[in-house]
Amino acid sequence: DGGITQSPKYLFRKEGQNVTLSCEQNLNHDAMYWYRQDPGQGLRLIYYSQIVNDFQKGDIAEGYSVSREKKESFPLTVTSAQKNPTAFYLCASRRELGQETQYFGPGTRLLVL
Amino acid sequence: QKEVEQNSGPLSVPEGAIASLNCTYSDRGSQSFFWYRQYSGKSPELIMSIYSNGDKEDGRFTAQLNKASQYVSLLIRDSQPSDSATYLCAVLSQKVTFGTGTKLQVIP
Repeated sequence: DGGITQSPKYLFRKEGQNVTLSCEQNLNHDAMYWYRQDPGQGLRLIYYSQIVNDFQKGDIAEGYSVSREKKESFPLTVTSAQKNPTAFYLCASRRELGQETQYFGPGTRLLVL
Repeated sequence: QKEVEQNSGPLSVPEGAIASLNCTYSDRGSQSFFWYRQYSGKSPELIMSIYSNGDKEDGRFTAQLNKASQYVSLLIRDSQPSDSATYLCAVLSQKVTFGTGTKLQVIP
């Protein structure tokens, strides 16, 4: 059963805490992406990775960090430096070559306590 | 100018009518065009892709592409209340770029 999984579905963060959002895909896709979506807003790109052990900042990378140690996994850490982290976080992946688009995981909703 | 532009809506149509969603893009080198549907609180799901000028039909959905005008549209025939969602347009050139989405409300 191929797809993209994200966990947890909901995540609560306390002040000053770092939290990590998981994203795993078994589609053998090369590229993986993290987006943030605020209520009623569009998608904003946080980080993306086109190959293992390499990643690039998107439009709103400040306060976030990522790693890409395996092709299947692209975890996102929301650090304490991100002052307004409450949002819906979406992971996506795509085959890097060709005309295919991105496919999304189910998302993680992050709330601040 | 935004790379991919959509009217944010909401677009309200009565049940059974045709809903027409529009998108314009700025990069003439764009190769591929996609429509996603996003229900409230859920992630976007791909519903249509189109790569060449003209129309592409899939059930009640028709995607239309006009590269000369840099315009792509999505028609939903016989609109149902279950079609109420936000529709995102996406364009592939060097990367996939998303519009901000059009909210569609189908009124029973």
